[in-house]
Amino acid sequence: AQSVAQPEDQVNVAEGNPLTVKCTYSVSGNPYLFWYVQYPNRGLQFLLKYITGDNLVKGSYGFEAEFNKSQTSFHLKKPSALVSDSALYFCAVRDGGSGAGSYQLTFGKGTKLSVIP
Amino acid sequence: NAGVTQTPKFRVLKTGQSMTLLCAQDMNHEYMYWYRQDPGMGLRLIHYSVGEGTTAKGEVPDGYNVSRLKKQNFLLGLESAAPSQTSVYFCASRPGPPGGEQYFGPGTRLTVT
Repeated sequence: AQSVAQPEDQVNVAEGNPLTVKCTYSVSGNPYLFWYVQYPNRGLQFLLKYITGDNLVKGSYGFEAEFNKSQTSFHLKKPSALVSDSALYFCAVRDGGSGAGSYQLTFGKGTKLSVIP
Repeated sequence: NAGVTQTPKFRVLKTGQSMTLLCAQDMNHEYMYWYRQDPGMGLRLIHYSVGEGTTAKGEVPDGYNVSRLKKQNFLLGLESAAPSQTSVYFCASRPGPPGGEQYFGPGTRLTVT
């Protein structure tokens, strides 16, 4: 079975400071990893993904994430936080092999990011 | 393109009533999904479909049924609603290649009293 852990329910950061939202995963095959953002009363929006290749992935709105296979982590980062980045962030994993896990995306419980002016 | 749309946006049901949530996508995606989102629980997969005419159970399928008679539509049914089904329901779709990301609808907020 595949799983995702987001160890922090909430992350607070001052505007202009770097931010990190943590994610670790467990999957039997090669991981396909995703980050999504959810603004209040909205659906989830795709930010970035890791499928293969470079461990540092760049995505929308200046976000990036680093894939670390040995630590089974995929932390989301941004060099300089904006107040408008305040939202709920979800990490998700899919098994890159065959079988039922390859069809299903498993989400973490989410991390609420608050950027303080 | 409208992307993924969901109908209705809000609904209040009494215990025991039934309803159907409609999800439609205009991107010709193969895969479609229904999730529920509850505070502190993240998104949990209810049912999914890997193509027209096929459906499969996800993590929390009990009390729900689904159908995918047309490629662009994925229906979620509640035959006898229970208060435990009060939640926000999201539909998503994605293209066939396994590395593709999911596209989400705006959600349906369902309250069962």
